[in-house]
Amino acid sequence: EVQLVESGGGLVQPGGSLRLSCTASGITLSDHYIDWVRQAPEKGLEWIGRSRNQARKYSTEYAASVKGRFTISRDDSENSVYLQMNSLKDDDTAVYYCTRDQGVRGSTAFDLWGQGTLVTVSS
Amino acid sequence: ATQMTQSPSSLSASVGDRVTITCRASQGIRNDLGWYQQKPGKAPKLLIYAASTLQSGVPSRFSGSGSGTDFTLTISSLQPEDFATYYCLQDDNYPLTFGGGTKVAIK
Repeated sequence: EVQLVESGGGLVQPGGSLRLSCTASGITLSDHYIDWVRQAPEKGLEWIGRSRNQARKYSTEYAASVKGRFTISRDDSENSVYLQMNSLKDDDTAVYYCTRDQGVRGSTAFDLWGQGTLVTVSS
Repeated sequence: ATQMTQSPSSLSASVGDRVTITCRASQGIRNDLGWYQQKPGKAPKLLIYAASTLQSGVPSRFSGSGSGTDFTLTISSLQPEDFATYYCLQDDNYPLTFGGGTKVAIK
């Protein structure tokens, strides 16, 4: 079965760090752009970052709200993508999703999503 | 950043109704727009990409149109499983930005 599974969420204090994992089965992540999207409680969706595929040298893009604090990386041997989150703030509290861009004809199309992992930033 | 203004923010409709949701971009984004459906506690689901291309497996009652700054998602005949929140997403430029969402509720 083709799927993405996130892990690593939990409770962290303001100013702390957390690393989320997105592990794939049924697909090779190095072939794909992988993005992270979050959703604060009872709020809408927010795109937070992208890791392009191996052919594009895993280059990254970030939303202004997380740039300089969050970093996306990969481990091809684990078929995983990671979201390292530092200097966490209360308003980083959200469910975090990883998603695959199927990349049809240059259009972004997030066709595969993980189940989400909850990050709570609170003292 | 390109702002995506989605309207209405919520609506009530009956099974069988035709439903239209709009998204307006703060600047031209060509046809670089997708539509997603989200049900409570679930990850979003891709419906439409490139403004009007129906994702494989999505029922044909869903359709998308528009280019430039104005886009529309239409559900031709609302079904019980369509009650959900819908989001547009522009992918013309970084940062990618979602609309605020439209909650479709049962009348």
